[in-house]
Amino acid sequence: AQTVTQSQPEMSVQEAETVTLSCTYDTSENNYYLFWYKQPPSRQMILVIRQEAYKQQNATENRFSVNFQKAAKSFSLKISDSQLGDTAMYFCAFMTHYNNNDMRFGAGTRLTVKP
Amino acid sequence: DVKVTQSSRYLVKRTGEKVFLECVQDMDHENMFWYRQDPGLGLRLIYFSYDVKMKEKGDIPEGYSVSREKKERFSLILESASTNQTSMYLCASSFGGGNYGYTFGSGTRLTVV
Repeated sequence: AQTVTQSQPEMSVQEAETVTLSCTYDTSENNYYLFWYKQPPSRQMILVIRQEAYKQQNATENRFSVNFQKAAKSFSLKISDSQLGDTAMYFCAFMTHYNNNDMRFGAGTRLTVKP
Repeated sequence: DVKVTQSSRYLVKRTGEKVFLECVQDMDHENMFWYRQDPGLGLRLIYFSYDVKMKEKGDIPEGYSVSREKKERFSLILESASTNQTSMYLCASSFGGGNYGYTFGSGTRLTVV
């Protein structure tokens, strides 16, 4: 069974600084997708970034980027130039190519951006 | 703007009541999901549906049932609510393979007293 582990329940960062959220996963599959979701206090889960396992290049979306280490089964999220609006719960998620109705989530990391 | 809409943001129900949580999506997505979110546990899949009238159990289906009579609507039913079902419930939908991610609703926070 696939599992997703986020080892940092809570983190904080000063506004304008950079923070990295960790995620590891366990799978025997070779073809899969990884996601980071943001859940602000409004509770709307928003897709932040997506990575396809067969692509070696790390995904980037504006201030958000990932460090995807396939061999280590690691998928960390880097937020650059942190803004107050980045304060949220962040969930790492995993889904295999062959079972796309089974997205697995980590326990989440609560990020607070301090002014 | 595409949407997944959950009918209630907050609900308070009594133990033993039958509870309906409604979810509607306007994206013509085939797949719809119900997750339960608890602190420290992340999101756990209760049920999903890949077509009208079709349903599959997720990891924690006990105490829940679902209904999908129309493509755009997916209902979660608590047959006899219990206090251990107090939680946040999230509905999501996806198109086809879902490998571009799911679209989520804003959640329903259910309290069973």
